[in-house]
Amino acid sequence: AQKITQTQPGMFVQEKEAVTLDCTYDTSDPSYGLFWYKQPSSGEMIFLIYQGSYDQQNATEGRYSLNFQKARKSANLVISASQLGDSAMYFCAMREGLIQGAQKLVFGQGTRLTINP
Amino acid sequence: DADVTQTPRNRITKTGKRIMLECSQTKGHDRMYWYRQDPGLGLRLIYYSFDVKDINKGEISDGYSVSRQAQAKFSLSLESAIPNQTALYFCATSELTGSSYNEQFFGPGTRLTVL
Repeated sequence: AQKITQTQPGMFVQEKEAVTLDCTYDTSDPSYGLFWYKQPSSGEMIFLIYQGSYDQQNATEGRYSLNFQKARKSANLVISASQLGDSAMYFCAMREGLIQGAQKLVFGQGTRLTINP
Repeated sequence: DADVTQTPRNRITKTGKRIMLECSQTKGHDRMYWYRQDPGLGLRLIYYSFDVKDINKGEISDGYSVSRQAQAKFSLSLESAIPNQTALYFCATSELTGSSYNEQFFGPGTRLTVL
């Protein structure tokens, strides 16, 4: 079964608009962490934001915020005031087990975001 | 200088050839990982290592082997390359801390083409 699902293969947004990238996950482990990474056309993986399963508040990092709905098992990334430089592939990933264990990441298929001027 | 480096950055090889991809890190992390990325499939874990003496298979280890020569070095080998191993390969590192947050730091990737 797919552990991380990103249902939007591609999205097109006007510059300066807010954009929400969807991510749903599946786990029976009560302890997990959720990550979002950005991959520009140059190929590197850039960490954006993290949410732990026990965190009480939604994570925020500058223009990035994570809309964490634990009961619905969703962890959507919200980018406010989008910029042309936000055009990239975005990956949601989950790590089961917070401290002990392998700390392996399981990735979704990604969403390609294009910001139009 | 980059904290996680991969060599080579690009490689074209032929079916049946042995090839090694190398990863080095200066972050002092114990944990290292090898992922591959195929279009439309995201990243998938090939192998991971907790330390020099501890190596584990990931989701897609068939056709690959690894070597952890030192804390800072983790190599991925394709003993006999085949075309469907054409992909973008990433090395990553992480540190075991006492907190719940534990980011993985990725290298720049190696683009491998098997003809």
